[in-house]
Amino acid sequence: DAGITQSPRHKVTETGTPVTLRCHQTENHRYMYWYRQDPGHGLRLIHYSYGVKDTDKGEVSDGYSVSRSKTEDFLLTLESATSSQTSVYFCAASRQSDQPQHFGDGTRLSIL
Amino acid sequence: ILNVEQSPQSLHVQEGDSTNFTCSFPSSNFYALHWYRWETAKSPEALFVMTLNGDEKKKGRISATLNTKEGYSYLYIKGSQPEDSATYLCAPVGTASKLTFGTGTRLQVTL
Repeated sequence: DAGITQSPRHKVTETGTPVTLRCHQTENHRYMYWYRQDPGHGLRLIHYSYGVKDTDKGEVSDGYSVSRSKTEDFLLTLESATSSQTSVYFCAASRQSDQPQHFGDGTRLSIL
Repeated sequence: ILNVEQSPQSLHVQEGDSTNFTCSFPSSNFYALHWYRWETAKSPEALFVMTLNGDEKKKGRISATLNTKEGYSYLYIKGSQPEDSATYLCAPVGTASKLTFGTGTRLQVTL
């Protein structure tokens, strides 16, 4: 257990509303990641962070933004949610980029 | 974005069988390869991180080999048990240390 907590675990919201998902880690990992998991696709990287206030885009970053104001928290924001963003979102963290990633339990997000 | 292929997509074996699956990835600009195990209703769990050509890693009954020149890795499970039932994901590391996950091999082990 690498002490990674995602909140909320489940959320249902409407198209056009803003949504923020939170990832909290207690192990002082430098790197943090947000992925989405959809049927027929592997885990796809949305955004990642390599330090406080240092973030970069992943494979499917359109429509998402992130922020990392302190080491332990990495926030994923959907500014105006769309139905195509209905998915299961996973947060992960690692000490260094070449080390294994530790995953949270996921957030199931449904956008109606 | 790297093109990652895992085969087979799914596999059904009997308890005690040994099995293996393949992860194929571009051999150019190789940095490392991760293997993860993902049980239903849980989160992915790291198995191995491999970096060197010819690398071989082992964890209990599970082992993996890496061929960076031809762009593939094999994952082996010796004497499969029902608790090995899971989806096994590979993820090569590309530029900027980003992982690209394959869609996984789903293993089901029955008694």
